[in-house]
Amino acid sequence: DTGVSQDPRHKITKRGQNVTFRCDPISEHNRLYWYRQTLGQGPEFLTYFQNEAQLEKSRLLSDRFSAERPKGSFSTLEIQRTEQGDSAMYLCASSNPGEGPYEQYFGPGTRLTVT
Amino acid sequence: KQEVTQIPAALSVPEGENLVLNCSFTDSAIYNLQWFRQDPGKGLTSLLLIQSSQREQTSGRLNASLDKSSGRSTLYIAASQPGDSATYLCAVKGYGNKLVFGAGTILRVKS
Repeated sequence: DTGVSQDPRHKITKRGQNVTFRCDPISEHNRLYWYRQTLGQGPEFLTYFQNEAQLEKSRLLSDRFSAERPKGSFSTLEIQRTEQGDSAMYLCASSNPGEGPYEQYFGPGTRLTVT
Repeated sequence: KQEVTQIPAALSVPEGENLVLNCSFTDSAIYNLQWFRQDPGKGLTSLLLIQSSQREQTSGRLNASLDKSSGRSTLYIAASQPGDSATYLCAVKGYGNKLVFGAGTILRVKS
C-alpha cells in the first residue's frame, strides 16, 4: 500500500487555460474526496465520491470545475478557463468505511499556480 | 454551519518545552475529530483521530483530548523537538462526508 498519490505535484498555467489533476486513492478505499487549500488557510471541501458516484459538491465547485471517478478507482479534477483565484493546493483524500472511524488519508497535493 | 477555530495562530517555543494547541468547534454533533501535521508545501499527515465517544488518544509524545459538549479539543506535545516544527491542523467530521478544518497553528521549535 503506497498511500494516496496525486499527479502532477506542481502545475503552472496561464490564465484561461484548462488543467486536469489526477488522484489515485489507497486501493480498496471506496470513498474519495477533493479539497482546496489557499495560503494560510485550512483545506476546504470541494467534492466527494462513493465508488463512481459523485454524491456531494460544495458551492465552491463552480461550473468551471468538474470531477470524475470512472470505474470507482482513480479520480480526475478538471478546471476550465483557469483564473488567478484558482491558484491553490488541491488535495485528494480517501477513506474506507469498512475500517471503522472513517479516517481520511491525504495525498501530497497538486500545487496550481495561475499566471 | 460548522466552524473550527485554532488558537494560537502561531507559536514559537524552545526545544524541550511541553506545549498545547487548542481547537474549538461550534457544532457538537460530530462523528470524529482528526489532528493533522502539514510541512511547508506538502500534504497532510494524520496524527491522531478521536471518535466522538472517546475522550483522548495518545501516540508517542502526542496526546489529543476531546470535550464534545464544550466543543473543544487540545493537542499536547511533550518534550518538543525542532523536527516538530510544522503547521498543525484540526478537522472535525460531522454526520456528512466532509472534514471541516481550522486554519491551523504554525509551530516553530527552536534549537
